[in-house]
Amino acid sequence: EDQVTQSPEALRLQEGESSSLNCSYTVSGLRGLFWYRQDPGKGPEFLFTLYSAGEEKEKERLKATLTKKESFLHITAPKPEDSATYLCAVQAPYAGGTSYGKLTFGQGTILTVHP
Amino acid sequence: GAGVSQSPSNKVTEKGKDVELRCDPISGHTALYWYRQSLGQGLEFLIYFQGNSAPDKSGLPSDRFSAERTGGSVSTLTIQRTQQEDSAVYLCASKETGSGANVLTFGAGSRLTVL
Repeated sequence: EDQVTQSPEALRLQEGESSSLNCSYTVSGLRGLFWYRQDPGKGPEFLFTLYSAGEEKEKERLKATLTKKESFLHITAPKPEDSATYLCAVQAPYAGGTSYGKLTFGQGTILTVHP
Repeated sequence: GAGVSQSPSNKVTEKGKDVELRCDPISGHTALYWYRQSLGQGLEFLIYFQGNSAPDKSGLPSDRFSAERTGGSVSTLTIQRTQQEDSAVYLCASKETGSGANVLTFGAGSRLTVL
């Protein structure tokens, strides 16, 4: 069974204080690792997809990296508007039928950035 | 452009009543997902529809839960004889298959409260 564990559960940063969020996963044959951002009262919003170890993606102050066992979401010089819950998910390997495409999510990291 | 639309946005019901939650996916998206998010928890997979294939129902927690997708578009999630533990936000997402990006677009969710 696919498992995704995110740490820390919550992270408080001062504006400008860089840090990283962790996503550890166990899956038989990773087809993709996804990062989403979720604001209160809204659905998750897509950030990045990573497919293979060593891959990196960047968007503004965010940078996602991937190894064979975990992914990191690095936040450089965060601003208060970066405050949100960050969710990590892995895609189930294709097993025929309809199991292709299902995403398994972690519990999320609640990030709070204080001005 | 139009995103994923869910209704109702909020539903309060009494224990034992049946409820229906509706999802209008993005036009042309052939894949549709239902997830459940309990307070402070990550997303729990419920069911996945892909085109005309049999749905992946492996995440439905009990036989009180069912879902259908009519005409490959609108989907309805039905919960019969609701229980207090069914209280959660029910999120719907759709995806354009064949795009290669495998990106889910989520709706804002339907918040269900069972008294």
